[in-house]
Amino acid sequence: DTAVSQTPKYLVTQMGNDKSIKCEQNLGHDTMYWYKQDSKKFLKIMFSYNNKELIINETVPNRFSPKSPDKAHLNLHINSLELGDSAVYFCASSQRPNTGELFFGEGSRLTVL
Amino acid sequence: GENVEQHPSTLSVQEGDSAVIKCTYSDSASNYFPWYKQELGKGPQLIIDIRSNVGEKKDQRIAVTLNKTAKHFSLHITETQPEDSAVYFCAASIMGGGSNYKLTFGKGTLLTVNP
Repeated sequence: DTAVSQTPKYLVTQMGNDKSIKCEQNLGHDTMYWYKQDSKKFLKIMFSYNNKELIINETVPNRFSPKSPDKAHLNLHINSLELGDSAVYFCASSQRPNTGELFFGEGSRLTVL
Repeated sequence: GENVEQHPSTLSVQEGDSAVIKCTYSDSASNYFPWYKQELGKGPQLIIDIRSNVGEKKDQRIAVTLNKTAKHFSLHITETQPEDSAVYFCAASIMGGGSNYKLTFGKGTLLTVNP
């Protein structure tokens, strides 16, 4: 029973394409996040949603658009992919915003050629 | 905003030795300091955390110390084992500080435990 699951695990695509990554959590948490981990392992928050409402929106290009259809799901859509978008994208959840443990998914490795 | 510095970036120890990873933070309002372990191909996982009203916390072979005055905290792993090999991240945030506060991570330490 995976607590935070994201798909796909691997994604290889050409520059200029549009792609989506999906995330689901079965922990009953109110808050979900997208983090980007670059090749140097640096973890940086991109977005956070609480009960489907956007609460954190870091300085991320407009090509990235998160969507939360319900509090158990948070998807990430990326338009016009660029080489610099290559990274591992992690979805995470917590019981409430900024109240303790983050539960991470296993990551989605995006490679843009 | 908060800035978290983490050292060293890589650490290699012999099995059975101790390992220490150090972090400093910049925002004196930060009051929650978790440590995450990321194994190869996996997402980060919380291994221990400490709040600012406590100076030290232990859980078996893992301990974390916090010096609020100096704004630094450290992770100590004793009797290291090969399965401790992973990337370790420190982080800081203001727990209960509002929904727009976020967890700021250090840049990670790759720990290698040699058998």
